[in-house]
Amino acid sequence: GIQVEQSPPDLILQEGANSTLRCNFSDSVNNLQWFHQNPWGQLINLFYIPSGTKQNGRLSATTVATERYSLLYISSSQTTDSGVYFCAVGVPGRRALTFGSGTRLQVQP
Amino acid sequence: GAGVSQSPSNKVTEKGKDVELRCDPISGHTALYWYRQSLGQGLEFLIYFQGNSAPDKSGLPSDRFSAERTGGSVSTLTIQRTQQEDSAVYLCASSPPRVGGNTEAFFGQGTRLTVV
Repeated sequence: GIQVEQSPPDLILQEGANSTLRCNFSDSVNNLQWFHQNPWGQLINLFYIPSGTKQNGRLSATTVATERYSLLYISSSQTTDSGVYFCAVGVPGRRALTFGSGTRLQVQP
Repeated sequence: GAGVSQSPSNKVTEKGKDVELRCDPISGHTALYWYRQSLGQGLEFLIYFQGNSAPDKSGLPSDRFSAERTGGSVSTLTIQRTQQEDSAVYLCASSPPRVGGNTEAFFGQGTRLTVV
């Protein structure tokens, strides 16, 4: 099956800093989503982005499907951004998402 | 409701007992997924339902696990003869019909299962 690798596994930032999270995948995808898992365990949808670039406030994401990676940018980080960020992909013929192992982000005041 | 609803939120059960976890997907969503997340780990796929098609059961870890989806809506995940390693958060998600290619999945808040 498809392999999904996220980096870095852990990240500590000072409030106000910017960061880039990366997701590499091993095969062609027709679905890619970024999620934020908050401290209460809820998975929050950030982006549905199988290709192209999207922005939502301080967050933006880019997926280069031909090169099999996606990037999540967080600008001017806040303590509420803390949690785990997951990348998940779907492949043609199998809609079930395969998740990466996540990036654990801690934003310090 | 507006989102995916799961019940119960928390379940403590004794080893060897059977448990049932419920998922109400978003209205109109044809696909439904179950995942499991052990403490500090990523999400492990369990089973996927799509409309009236046969479910994809390839992620179920043993024959003690089963799931059904009635009327194309509500789903129940059943774990028989629970064991301590079944302790985890069980997450359900749903996604809409593939219209224009968009199959964005939305997750419920999960059921935290503790087997003692």
